Amino acid sequence: AQRVTQPEKLLSVFKGAPVELKCNYSYSGSPELFWYVQYSRQRLQLLLRHISRESIKGFTADLNKGETSFHLKKPFAQEEDSAMYYCALEGSTLGRLYFGRGTQLTVWP
Amino acid sequence: DGGITQSPKYLFRKEGQNVTLSCEQNLNHDAMYWYRQDPGQGLRLIYYSQIVNDFQKGDIAEGYSVSREKKESFPLTVTSAQKNPTAFYLCASSMTRNTEAFFGQGTRLTVV
Repeated sequence: AQRVTQPEKLLSVFKGAPVELKCNYSYSGSPELFWYVQYSRQRLQLLLRHISRESIKGFTADLNKGETSFHLKKPFAQEEDSAMYYCALEGSTLGRLYFGRGTQLTVWP
Repeated sequence: DGGITQSPKYLFRKEGQNVTLSCEQNLNHDAMYWYRQDPGQGLRLIYYSQIVNDFQKGDIAEGYSVSREKKESFPLTVTSAQKNPTAFYLCASSMTRNTEAFFGQGTRLTVV
């Protein structure tokens, strides 16, 4: 069965510090993985997906199939990064996403 | 202004009443989805539709119903059978596999 686990409900760092949001998944096939972000009073939106291998707003995420992880990282956090972050997995069904419970990131000045 | 629109933003209903949440998209997306968002539980899929006149149950479909008569529209009805309907509901759409899902602003339903 597909499952996405985000172990941290809350994460706080100071501005300029590195940040890592953890995501582990369970899926028997080849997963498509995403990070979605929800800023205060804004709609949920895509941050990045593993297949693109992009760096968006300084964030990167590497798929580690051995550890079944897709952690989101940023070397120097900014206050505007404060938001709710969701890791999501797309299985075999078109567009059907399985979400983790989310991590609320707070970046202090 | 392209995108996905949910209405209303806030909805109050008495217990035992059915209520319908609207979701419209003008992105020409084939697939549409309804999620329920509860604090500490992330997003859980209620129903999804990959094509007009077809839809599938998600993980928590009990007490909900949907229709997909038009490509642009995917309304969700919360029935009186739903035991705990008070929640934040999100509608989304996407084009194909491994592409971005676009989300609406959400509808907060409160049943009193």
